[in-house]
Amino acid sequence: EDKVVQSPLSLVVHEGDTVTLNCSYEVTNFRSLLWYKQEKKAPTFLFMLTSSGIEKKSGRLSSILDKKELFSILNITATQTGDSAVYLCAVVGNYGQNFVFGPGTRLSVLP
Amino acid sequence: GAGVSQSPSNKVTEKGKDVELRCDPISGHTALYWYRQSLGQGLEFLIYFQGNSAPDKSGLPSDRFSAERTGGSVSTLTIQRTQQEDSAVYLCASSLQREWYEQYFGPGTRLTVT
Repeated sequence: EDKVVQSPLSLVVHEGDTVTLNCSYEVTNFRSLLWYKQEKKAPTFLFMLTSSGIEKKSGRLSSILDKKELFSILNITATQTGDSAVYLCAVVGNYGQNFVFGPGTRLSVLP
Repeated sequence: GAGVSQSPSNKVTEKGKDVELRCDPISGHTALYWYRQSLGQGLEFLIYFQGNSAPDKSGLPSDRFSAERTGGSVSTLTIQRTQQEDSAVYLCASSLQREWYEQYFGPGTRLTVT
């Protein structure tokens, strides 16, 4: 059964700190791994990762995938209070479009 | 342009009643997904529509759940004989086929079964 595990489940930091969020997975016929940010109800897309070792970067956020060890990390540098959200990791296999989401990491950034 | 819309935003129903949840995807998006998110949990995939292809229903938890998509646009998720464990936020998302990974989510419908 496809599975996504995220850690930590909850994290509290202060503005300016750097955080690393972890996602490990088991999926049949891996296609891609995705990261989303969920602030209230609707998640918003951050990154899609398909190949190992290639860093995706957007501003202070970056992510990388290790397909050998079956994990990904999401880094946020110089955190701001606006980064407070639940960060969801999802994987999708080659068969169909069944996205399997992890439980998320709830990040709280204190001023 | 308008994003994904869902209605109603909140629905309270009695156990045993049927409910219908509606999703209006972004115009031109051929892919449409339904997810369920229980309190404090991640998103649970329910069903996926892509164009005129047969839907992927592999995530539907029981035969009380069904969904249809009319004219390749609006979708309705129906839950028959609701149970308390059906209480959750139901999220709809849509995407372009070529950018299938970039799902745009609606605000969700919070369903409470009493």
